[in-house]
Amino acid sequence: VQLRESGPGLVRPSETLSLTCSVSGDSMREYYWSWIRQPPGKGLEWIGYIFSSGITNFNPSVKSRLTMSIETSQNHFSLRLKSVTTADTAVYYCVRGDRYSSASSLFDPWGQGILVIVSS
Amino acid sequence: QSVLTQPPSVSGPPGQRVTISCSGNTSNIGNNYVYWYQQLPGTAPKLLIYKDDKRPSGVPDRFSASKSGTSASLAISGPRSEDEASYSCAAWDDNLSAVLFGGGTTLTVL
Repeated sequence: VQLRESGPGLVRPSETLSLTCSVSGDSMREYYWSWIRQPPGKGLEWIGYIFSSGITNFNPSVKSRLTMSIETSQNHFSLRLKSVTTADTAVYYCVRGDRYSSASSLFDPWGQGILVIVSS
Repeated sequence: QSVLTQPPSVSGPPGQRVTISCSGNTSNIGNNYVYWYQQLPGTAPKLLIYKDDKRPSGVPDRFSASKSGTSASLAISGPRSEDEASYSCAAWDDNLSAVLFGGGTTLTVL
């Protein structure tokens, strides 16, 4: 299975960051799909997951600004983060999570990542 | 945002065993599996260890991991230059209902 992120590399402050992850090589059904980000020079931060059924769970740090959607028939899932600030500047990775448990930090494989810069 | 605690860097000569620690608490490491990820410079992270101490196929056996109580550790026996990377631990946190990552540890092979 392969994952690839797409979306704009530059977003203005206060606007909405939208990314899509295209999945190829396997079905999306019965898996948890996550977004993870990494600010330049910093560690990894889990943003949230969406299950193939559409059930979601988000990191409390971004919960009020985040929505996720999934289209298993079209093999992609998406992220929308509103009211962005410079603190949202990061490389964003889409990843496949666990198949059996929502309470898991299994992530394999990872997309190549996409750098999103928040700047005016 | 709480994180799991890792040392920022470790180093050692080829042939010397190095270890990377990851410290948490009872709501994360103490009650859930720990995973380790390797991130080579300029690339996406890759799964290195799953369910505390298991290696995916293709991961060399010089990499090993263990867990005791609320701490975990990753060991590299005889690190090579190609092992120079950042290593991050991860675990689910029951109180936050979220995944936590360690801050990452950079390995330098002297």
